[in-house]
Amino acid sequence: GAVVSQHPSRVICKSGTSVKIECRSLDFQATTMFWYRQFPKKSLMLMATSNEGSKATYEQGVEKDKFLINHASLTLSTLTVTSAHPEDSSFYICSARGLANTGELFFGEGSRLTVL
Amino acid sequence: AQSVTQLDSQVPVFEEAPVELRCNYSSSVSVYLFWYVQYPNQGLQLLLKYLSGSTLVKGINGFEAEFNKSQTSFHLRKPSVHISDTAEYFCAVILPRGFQKLVFGTGTRLLVSP
Repeated sequence: GAVVSQHPSRVICKSGTSVKIECRSLDFQATTMFWYRQFPKKSLMLMATSNEGSKATYEQGVEKDKFLINHASLTLSTLTVTSAHPEDSSFYICSARGLANTGELFFGEGSRLTVL
Repeated sequence: AQSVTQLDSQVPVFEEAPVELRCNYSSSVSVYLFWYVQYPNQGLQLLLKYLSGSTLVKGINGFEAEFNKSQTSFHLRKPSVHISDTAEYFCAVILPRGFQKLVFGTGTRLLVSP
């Protein structure tokens, strides 16, 4: 089946530094990737949608200069949290939609970011 | 716009008992429906999906769901749960056409105790 891999699964950083999270589709080409943020005991909040080769579309209230998303190829999207602060600590999950576009999304394992 | 309601934030149940997790959706057009499961500190795994055809869909781990168009529901059921089924369950909808966003419900935590 379709596999999406995220790296790193856990990252701890100091306040003010930047952190990059990678999302890769391992066995299929992903035309569209989505980045979600999940707060403790909450549902997933869509942050942005990225299509390969174009700028990401951010949801209302999400700072695009804070959360930089790059989708350089059909198998890789990256989320960079710039100048991270403790309130950015969260569980970040990516998902990918294949070329067939059956509506189903394939999710990565998630990345837990802790900002000290 | 589409929306999903999961009325139960938490459902406690004893092992080997049956369970139903409720999901209702709102949409003026046809949608695709999904149930995902999330184990602690992990991403989401697809349990089952309804795209078209038979309204009763069977998924992994013994789960099934029934699409009811008149009641706009897509409840998830399992006849006998295991301790390992303890997890968060999310219902989601998406429009069939175009590159639409997947809309999630707020989730239901299934707690299975011995």
